[in-house]
Amino acid sequence: GQQLNQSPQSMFIQEGEDVSMNCTSSSIFNTWLWYKQDPGEGPVLLIALYKAGELTSNGRLTAQFGITRKDSFLNISASIPSDVGIYFCAGQLQGSQGNLIFGKGTKLSVKP
Amino acid sequence: NAGVMQNPRHLVRRRGQEARLRCSPMKGHSHVYWYRQLPEEGLKFMVYLQKENIIDESGMPKERFSAEFPKEGPSILRIQQVVRGDSAAYFCASSRSTGRWGEKLFFGSGTQLSVL
Repeated sequence: GQQLNQSPQSMFIQEGEDVSMNCTSSSIFNTWLWYKQDPGEGPVLLIALYKAGELTSNGRLTAQFGITRKDSFLNISASIPSDVGIYFCAGQLQGSQGNLIFGKGTKLSVKP
Repeated sequence: NAGVMQNPRHLVRRRGQEARLRCSPMKGHSHVYWYRQLPEEGLKFMVYLQKENIIDESGMPKERFSAEFPKEGPSILRIQQVVRGDSAAYFCASSRSTGRWGEKLFFGSGTQLSVL
């Protein structure tokens, strides 16, 4: 089946540092979504991207939809302890309503 | 995700029993999706429903699993004759509508199913 390659798998950073993670695929997506999941909870939507090249910010978070429509990145600036969690990218193929393909996640740990 | 309600949060079943997972979408949302998540993995799509209709069940196992979203009441994911491999977190999501450019899915807190 379709796969998203998400990297890095995990990150250990110091509070205040910037973070960058990305997802790539061999398939073309028409939507990219970034979610954050805390332990025992469902994913929470952070940013949604709908157009190739689109750059969108949500507070300290910035995400971009790659020009080729096969990749996306998420940046977190000036990380804080509450940024800890697992970040997932999810892509939607054209014509596949509601069928999001998720990456395996990036586990972020922040040292105060 | 606060608006999508799932219950129970935790469900323990013995092999061979039935599991019923419930999901009430966010107010104003008429599209419901079920996903399954194994430990250390991303979510995997199972099924997409609108009121009284299954739109896409391409991710649903062919046997023992069924889903419904009746005109009144919550969406139900039903697993018959559960096996240990069914142990996972099951998440429901809802959206307002589907559009040309995709839709935003909002997830519930999930049901953790444990099969003994």
